Amino acid sequence: DGGITQSPKYLFRKEGQNVTLSCEQNLNHDAMYWYRQDPGQGLRLIYYSQIVNDFQKGDIAEGYSVSREKKESFPLTVTSAQKNPTAFYLCASTDRFNSPLHFGNGTRLTVT
Amino acid sequence: DAKTTQPPSMDCAEGRAANLPCNHSTISGNEYVYWYRQIHSQGPQYIIHGLKNNETNEMASLIITEDRKSSTLILPHATLRDTAVYYCIVSSYSGNTPLVFGKGTRLSVIA
Repeated sequence: DGGITQSPKYLFRKEGQNVTLSCEQNLNHDAMYWYRQDPGQGLRLIYYSQIVNDFQKGDIAEGYSVSREKKESFPLTVTSAQKNPTAFYLCASTDRFNSPLHFGNGTRLTVT
Repeated sequence: DAKTTQPPSMDCAEGRAANLPCNHSTISGNEYVYWYRQIHSQGPQYIIHGLKNNETNEMASLIITEDRKSSTLILPHATLRDTAVYYCIVSSYSGNTPLVFGKGTRLSVIA
């Protein structure tokens, strides 16, 4: 079945460590997105990529970095510069022409 | 900022129709109305979208007013599994414009 896989589902890190969240899709979608969700809040856009080797900052990119070396992969690194990294992270993808967003089931990151 | 306004929460009795309203008074001519829902601790799920005509699929119906300033998502026979946060979003249908999610409406279906 086609879809988006985010791993791991739960991730725990110590403050000051960088951590990379995985997002893989086999939908052959061009565009991929990372959103952050805090309790009781909507989704906020971190980064997005419309094509391989290109990406743009979203509304809350500070303290995060991404890469898009392959069409199917869009990993997100939460750096030590991110002041409040504990959150639920969601990856999504879409075709550039005509399809709704498909989401993964998220990674819940806890930094202590 | 999200370009839509939704009530923060609603209740619906199981088996009844759930009607979720959304105001989008600043919608422009090339923008569609999308609805997603998010069940607790999962990724959002696409439900339906429309431009100006009413739309129906196996999950729901979307009713858009003639002036396109508001819409209603209808779940015809709500079940407990429909308990979720429902997001109404307006966006051009290019696939290049990231969707902006507000806080949505928390629908509780009650037995």
